[in-house]
Amino acid sequence: EDQVTQSPEALRLQEGESSSLNCSYTVSGLRGLFWYRQDPGKGPEFLFTLYSAGEEKEKERLKATLTKKESFLHITAPKPEDSATYLCAVQANNNDMRFGAGTRLTVKP
Amino acid sequence: KAGVTQTPRYLIKTRGQQVTLSCSPISGHRSVSWYQQTPGQGLQFLFEYFSETQRNKGNFPGRFSGRQFSNSRSEMNVSTLELGDSALYLCASSLTGSRTDTQYFGPGTRLTVL
Repeated sequence: EDQVTQSPEALRLQEGESSSLNCSYTVSGLRGLFWYRQDPGKGPEFLFTLYSAGEEKEKERLKATLTKKESFLHITAPKPEDSATYLCAVQANNNDMRFGAGTRLTVKP
Repeated sequence: KAGVTQTPRYLIKTRGQQVTLSCSPISGHRSVSWYQQTPGQGLQFLFEYFSETQRNKGNFPGRFSGRQFSNSRSEMNVSTLELGDSALYLCASSLTGSRTDTQYFGPGTRLTVL
């Protein structure tokens, strides 16, 4: 069965303290891996799509990477406004979208 | 460009009732997907519609149904509500639903079943 596991569940960082979030997956045929950011009371906001192992994408302080079994979301020098829940999702060949439980990131000033 | 809109934003129902939620996709988007989000189960895929046809369905009971209209607007219906149906229901739209499309989410409808 397709599975997506995110770790850690929660992460507290000081402003400027870089770190990485992990998304490991097992899926029958990966069509795409997606990262979203979700603020409390709001819908997820799209960040990145990765399609194949070795691919990397960057946006401001965020960088997403993909291997055959996992993806990392690297956050460089985070700011308090980066505090949110980060969701990872995989789309299988049958078009099913499966989300991880998310990592709740808190960045303290 | 207006984003995905969902109505109503909040809803309170009692067990046994039925509810209809509405989603208006971004203009030009023809694929609409529905998700249920709960603290315990996270985000779970309900179904996807494209050109008025259900193209994909998640693992939910038949009490959950949906439809899409010719203008791509979509509704989902939950009949015989149960306490466990309390959740944030999210709608997402994309151009065609292909793997190269980005899904844009609406703000969600918060359903509380008493």
